Amino acid sequence: GAGVSQSPSNKVTEKGKDVELRCDPISGHTALYWYRQSLGQGLEFLIYFQGNSAPDKSGLPSDRFSAERTGGSVSTLTIQRTQQEDSAVYLCASSLVPGKETQYFGPGTRLLVL
Amino acid sequence: AQSVTQLDSQVPVFEEAPVELRCNYSSSVSVYLFWYVQYPNQGLQLLLKYLSGSTLVKGINGFEAEFNKSQTSFHLRKPSVHISDTAEYFCAVSDFGAGGTSYGKLTFGQGTILTVHP
Repeated sequence: GAGVSQSPSNKVTEKGKDVELRCDPISGHTALYWYRQSLGQGLEFLIYFQGNSAPDKSGLPSDRFSAERTGGSVSTLTIQRTQQEDSAVYLCASSLVPGKETQYFGPGTRLLVL
Repeated sequence: AQSVTQLDSQVPVFEEAPVELRCNYSSSVSVYLFWYVQYPNQGLQLLLKYLSGSTLVKGINGFEAEFNKSQTSFHLRKPSVHISDTAEYFCAVSDFGAGGTSYGKLTFGQGTILTVHP
């Protein structure tokens, strides 16, 4: 079946612009996670959704970052007023239920802020 | 806060040799443990996971890992590597919150690049 998909695969933007990153989880997966992979910080947790609610937003690095999930499916991560330090690969993962179930990762969106 | 240490950033090895990639975590509470692999220009793929029970866990592609609670370690091993095992390997931990359950938030190590030479 289809895996986790993310779009766009690559995004180049200018400092100060807003960007939206999209994640389509595996159908039926209730849990959705966003992570960020950067050279300096490695792989970091950003936010977790259970259904449409986000019980844990503790990893969002600043208030410029926000995310939502609608219909228990698609999620959008928005970065406002992008900065060069936001350059990274943003990964989305989903699992059938939260906890010990395997998280399936998407291919990521590579964001470059000039 | 939970932390994960992968002791080797790079491990070069010859084909058909054994390999061990080391991982230590900080939490003394109950945890779930995972190893993920990232092949060049691909996404993360689960190799194996420890949830409970037997401390020796077998995964895909001939990999296995052993959970050692007293040493808070979860080292990954393969008795004979192939060229195709060249990739970056990540150890990850999901710990239990105050409610005694895990919701799956993963804390990753910095990764170990395994390079298999012919």
